[in-house]
Amino acid sequence: GAVVSQHPSWVICKSGTSVKIECRSLDFQATTMFWYRQFPKQSLMLMATSNEGSKATYEQGVEKDKFLINHASLTLSTLTVTSAHPEDSSFYICSATKVSTVTNEKLFFGSGTQLSVL
Amino acid sequence: QQPVQSPQAVILREGEDAVINCSSSKALYSVHWYRQKHGEAPVFLMILLKGGEQKGHEKISASFNEKKQQSSLYLTASQLSYSGTYFCGTVHAGGTSYGKLTFGQGTILTVHP
Repeated sequence: GAVVSQHPSWVICKSGTSVKIECRSLDFQATTMFWYRQFPKQSLMLMATSNEGSKATYEQGVEKDKFLINHASLTLSTLTVTSAHPEDSSFYICSATKVSTVTNEKLFFGSGTQLSVL
Repeated sequence: QQPVQSPQAVILREGEDAVINCSSSKALYSVHWYRQKHGEAPVFLMILLKGGEQKGHEKISASFNEKKQQSSLYLTASQLSYSGTYFCGTVHAGGTSYGKLTFGQGTILTVHP
């Protein structure tokens, strides 16, 4: 089956620093990648949608200058949390799909990244 | 628009059945079901596309009502491995939400021996 690798699994950083999270599709070309944020015992909240070679589309309320998304190739998308603060601490999870829109195709999820900002 | 799931939590003994519901105020293009264990990635269960559709395995199945606004996930003869949080994800039939999966708040299922 299709595999999505997300790295790192855990990251602890100081307030004010930037953190980069990578999401790779290992055995398929991911036309579209999604980034979700999940607080403890809550749902997965979509942050942004990225398509290879174009600018990411951010959901309402998500600061695009704070959460930089780059989808440089069909197998790699990165999320950079800039100038991280304690309130950015959360579980970030990426997902990928082989098609341009999610309608009847399932998502393949990465294993997630737990970010803790001190 | 986030779909509404019910119940929020279910506690079962092995062998018991459970139903998890997912509702939307507007017609949907599709409904997806995922299960997530603590600290892990969600795992795909199934997708429903057609109104009136029912699909799945013998012990885990789902339905999509004719109006395509509600889906139910059926877990029969539950096993310990079924424990986790179940999410429905919905894709709306049009508008700005088309092509994006929006998840419900989740239903925590706990199966005891």
